[in-house]
Amino acid sequence: KNEVEQSPQNLTAQEGEFITINCSYSVGISALHWLQQHPGGGIVSLFMLSSGKKKHGRLIATINIQEKHSSLHITASHPRDSAVYICAVSKGNKLVFGAGTILRVKS
Amino acid sequence: GAGVSQSPRYKVAKRGQDVALRCDPISGHVSLFWYQQALGQGPEFLTYFQNEAQLDKSGLPSDRFFAERPEGSVSTLKIQRTQQEDSAVYLCASSLRSPNTEAFFGQGTRLTVV
Repeated sequence: KNEVEQSPQNLTAQEGEFITINCSYSVGISALHWLQQHPGGGIVSLFMLSSGKKKHGRLIATINIQEKHSSLHITASHPRDSAVYICAVSKGNKLVFGAGTILRVKS
Repeated sequence: GAGVSQSPRYKVAKRGQDVALRCDPISGHVSLFWYQQALGQGPEFLTYFQNEAQLDKSGLPSDRFFAERPEGSVSTLKIQRTQQEDSAVYLCASSLRSPNTEAFFGQGTRLTVV
């Protein structure tokens, strides 16, 4: 079993929809990261959080340490949000990544 | 530089050839990481440097993989006698201090072994 599990693997939404991507982890962590990766592109850090909730523009990330679960929400989704969203946890000296969620937002 | 820079962006190597992948981290960043990302999967840890010291190389898949960061800035990942299973995107990331601070990623090097 992977240490970091994401769901769904693939997600197609209509422009304007509210989107939720989930992440569960099974190890002790010091922080959780949400990252965005465009095809052929590098990875961009969206959030790093260890408790509670963070908001940046239309993006919201929450984490529940007791339940070892985090969610990434996108409000008023737009086609430019189409990308792979990756959850990763800080474990010791490294990041342990989930497999990613492929999001496609249709206009 | 403004961000983490990797070169080359793309590399095609014949099986058995040696390759060297370069990473220029953000100036002043202490921590540097290499990750391997196979097609359709999330990145997997290869190795970690704190300045010039390689503190963790537990993710290197075989002794054909070697990484160095001799002056605590630029790092090189070398793969000897490449095999087809080495085909992947190799990502470099740096962070200002400890591994638990925000990591900044390069664009990656896509290696294809034919």
